Amino acid sequence: ETGVTQSPTHLIKTRGQQVTLRCSSQSGHNTVSWYQQALGQGPQFIFQYYREEENGRGNFPPRFSGLQFPNYSSELNVNALELDDSALYLCASSEYRADTQYFGPGTRLTVL
Amino acid sequence: AQSVSQHNHHVILSEAASLELGCNYSYGGTVNLFWYVQYPGQHLQLLLKYFSGDPLVKGIKGFEAEFIKSKFSFNLRKPSVQWSDTAEYFCAGHNAGKSTFGDGTTLTVKP
Repeated sequence: ETGVTQSPTHLIKTRGQQVTLRCSSQSGHNTVSWYQQALGQGPQFIFQYYREEENGRGNFPPRFSGLQFPNYSSELNVNALELDDSALYLCASSEYRADTQYFGPGTRLTVL
Repeated sequence: AQSVSQHNHHVILSEAASLELGCNYSYGGTVNLFWYVQYPGQHLQLLLKYFSGDPLVKGIKGFEAEFIKSKFSFNLRKPSVQWSDTAEYFCAGHNAGKSTFGDGTTLTVKP
């Protein structure tokens, strides 16, 4: 059984740029959620995808968007990067309506 | 609004000491509660979870947690900590497809 994987591991961007982060869900899981974890804080829910559609969203602006593909992998896109977007971005997968999620190792994004 | 709060930001214990980390939640309806651990350089791992039934739940590595509905609490406990328990611990609630996390407690265990 393959766990949740994320790429890249680390990323450095400058303010105003755009970034795409990728996540492969655990085998058998059809739901992917994305979280932002700023330094010293707990993960904050960004959004969730199920069957290639957004299925819930937290308090993040529209410049945070996502995609889910037929194989259940997912992308998180962030446009017009701001310094405060610097954080660890976590992906979690689960079966639909299951409350137990499995987290990937995260992508560390630094915005300069 | 859903919220989860953890009282202790940083806890320092000696090996063999007992541990209790506080977690309080505020939810409008049914909520499932979790404790996660994040060891240095590793990803979030599930320690234990409560959905319903026996309010005392046991997890991995000797951890347990007690759900007290009247106090809106879900505190994590371990009778005797080890140096390898040094990590960050997160309490989380899950409802309607969304997880809400506390800000975490950093546990340092001195050998």
